[in-house]
Amino acid sequence: DGGITQSPKYLFRKEGQNVTLSCEQNLNHDAMYWYRQDPGQGLRLIYYSQIVNDFQKGDIAEGYSVSREKKESFPLTVTSAQKNPTAFYLCASSMPANYGYTFGSGTRLTVV
Amino acid sequence: EDQVTQSPEALRLQEGESSSLNCSYTVSGLRGLFWYRQDPGKGPEFLFTLYSAGEEKEKERLKATLTKKESFLHITAPKPEDSATYLCAVHPRGSNYQLIWGAGTKLIIKP
Repeated sequence: DGGITQSPKYLFRKEGQNVTLSCEQNLNHDAMYWYRQDPGQGLRLIYYSQIVNDFQKGDIAEGYSVSREKKESFPLTVTSAQKNPTAFYLCASSMPANYGYTFGSGTRLTVV
Repeated sequence: EDQVTQSPEALRLQEGESSSLNCSYTVSGLRGLFWYRQDPGKGPEFLFTLYSAGEEKEKERLKATLTKKESFLHITAPKPEDSATYLCAVHPRGSNYQLIWGAGTKLIIKP
């Protein structure tokens, strides 16, 4: 079955540590996205990529980095520069957006 | 500026009590409007896409409608399993890939 897989489901980060969240899709979608979701808030766009080897900053890119070396994969690194990283992170993919997004099941990141 | 506003923020209903959720939008041309359902700790699941004013879509107890300024998600005789956060998003003209998201409405159905 086609879908989008995020891992791990739960992740714990120590102060000053970089961590990487995985996102893989087998839907042959061109575009991929990373969103951050905080309690009681909507989805905020971190980064997006429309094609391989190209990506753009979203509304809250500071403290995050991404790569898009393969069409299927769009990993997100939360760097030590992100001062408040505790949140629920969602990865999504799409063809042109008028077909809607498909979401992964999310990764909950907690700073310990 | 493109904007999507959902109301109310939260809605508590008794089982069987019908109601509606609102999604109002201001965009520079609408290419599509989407409704998603999100359960706690999970990713959003697609419900409906609406493309033009007057369009309606139905699925079980849910019915989505669209006007030139807003969309409604009508819930008829809801059950406790309909409890979730419902998200609305619009696809504005001028963007091939990006959606503009509302903050969501948290729906709680009490048995």
